Amino acid sequence: GAVVSQHPSRVICKSGTSVKIECRSLDFQATTMFWYRQFPKQSLMLMATSNEGSKATYEQGVEKDKFLINHASLTLSTLTVTSAHPEDSSFYICSARDEGREKLFFGSGTQLSVL
Amino acid sequence: AQSVAQPEDQVNVAEGNPLTVKCTYSVSGNPYLFWYVQYPNRGLQFLLKYITGDNLVKGSYGFEAEFNKSQTSFHLKKPSALVSDSALYFCAVRDPYSGAGSYQLTFGKGTKLSVIP
Repeated sequence: GAVVSQHPSRVICKSGTSVKIECRSLDFQATTMFWYRQFPKQSLMLMATSNEGSKATYEQGVEKDKFLINHASLTLSTLTVTSAHPEDSSFYICSARDEGREKLFFGSGTQLSVL
Repeated sequence: AQSVAQPEDQVNVAEGNPLTVKCTYSVSGNPYLFWYVQYPNRGLQFLLKYITGDNLVKGSYGFEAEFNKSQTSFHLKKPSALVSDSALYFCAVRDPYSGAGSYQLTFGKGTKLSVIP
């Protein structure tokens, strides 16, 4: 079964609203989680590294105030797309690092459509 | 900076035939290489990885990949394709020197594999 749960799987929102996406590790503690964005026919792009108890590390070109990341517990990281616009429409995927098994597990992704 | 190229957007193969999904990479030093598969409406699933050792790596579901340092390639292969193998395949590279404990991966664009019955 899934070891990383990502919710919601699909969300449609109006322009200007904020959307929160959750990423949970189900059977392990994840001090580090990653958020990716996938455009159609393009590669997965790393947006940011989420570290439990500290600020996220954002990749160059990713707006911190636009994509708020909170990693308040060892099993949950959230990505909030603030004041969403149609150009934010994309597929967002999280992954969580299981240090014990030295593996990276991925969520099932969230398809965000901003109208 | 590290990068991964998957030159084919789509690969079509008849069921029972061998399949190859191509991947080339660019990274400073010795790379860690990965293949992931994404089925529709599902998350990425790990197939196999190369860290060190034997250049031919065997993974899940009968897949294997060959690391070729001189050609900087890590092509995914399977001797006999199944219809159920139809999915999106991603090659990824990790720079082992990217920081203590870093698991950041750089992904290719993905290749859609269609196995025709």
